[in-house]
Amino acid sequence: DAGVIQSPRHEVTEMGQEVTLRCKPISGHDYLFWYRQTMMRGLELLIYFNNNVPIDDSGMPEDRFSAKMPNASFSTLKIQPSEPRDSAVYFCASSLGQDYTFGSGTRLTVV
Amino acid sequence: AQSVTQLDSQVPVFEEAPVELRCNYSSSVSVYLFWYVQYPNQGLQLLLKYLSGSTLVKGINGFEAEFNKSQTSFHLRKPSVHISDTAEYFCASGSNDYKLSFGAGTTVTVRA
Repeated sequence: DAGVIQSPRHEVTEMGQEVTLRCKPISGHDYLFWYRQTMMRGLELLIYFNNNVPIDDSGMPEDRFSAKMPNASFSTLKIQPSEPRDSAVYFCASSLGQDYTFGSGTRLTVV
Repeated sequence: AQSVTQLDSQVPVFEEAPVELRCNYSSSVSVYLFWYVQYPNQGLQLLLKYLSGSTLVKGINGFEAEFNKSQTSFHLRKPSVHISDTAEYFCASGSNDYKLSFGAGTTVTVRA
């Protein structure tokens, strides 16, 4: 298994632009999580899905953030419009039971 | 709500010396506990986890941790570290809602 696949690995964008981060979970996993990692706030859970349905999005910082999971093999996290304070590493993880696997992350820089 | 406290933000240690990273959790419900390692510019790799059963958990790369319910702790130990153990280590807790809550992390720097 190739693990959890995230793309792109790095993204540099200008303030105000739309950014879309992508995640392919491990086949058979029924939970998918989006986390954000910053020096100031550490690892924060943004949103998670169970069987493609959003369960808890209370960690999504603002309406500028949205996430979708149209099918069991794909999820997106979108920021529109992006701001410099959104600069962080965004991790996707999937799980079956208490077996979690994290992707390598997308490093987002908003200038 | 669950929370995890890592008591040391930075731990310098000499090569071949033992290391202990401290983690305390707070939860009023069933808890599952994890330790992850993150090498520079990489994702999170699972070192070990406690779900139930024996309170002494052995993981990869010679690490082990002990679940102590009375002290609400899950400290990570390694008897002899290598330069390659230099990394950031995260303690996390989960429960039946499948969400993981992470501690702030402990940076381990191994010196020759």
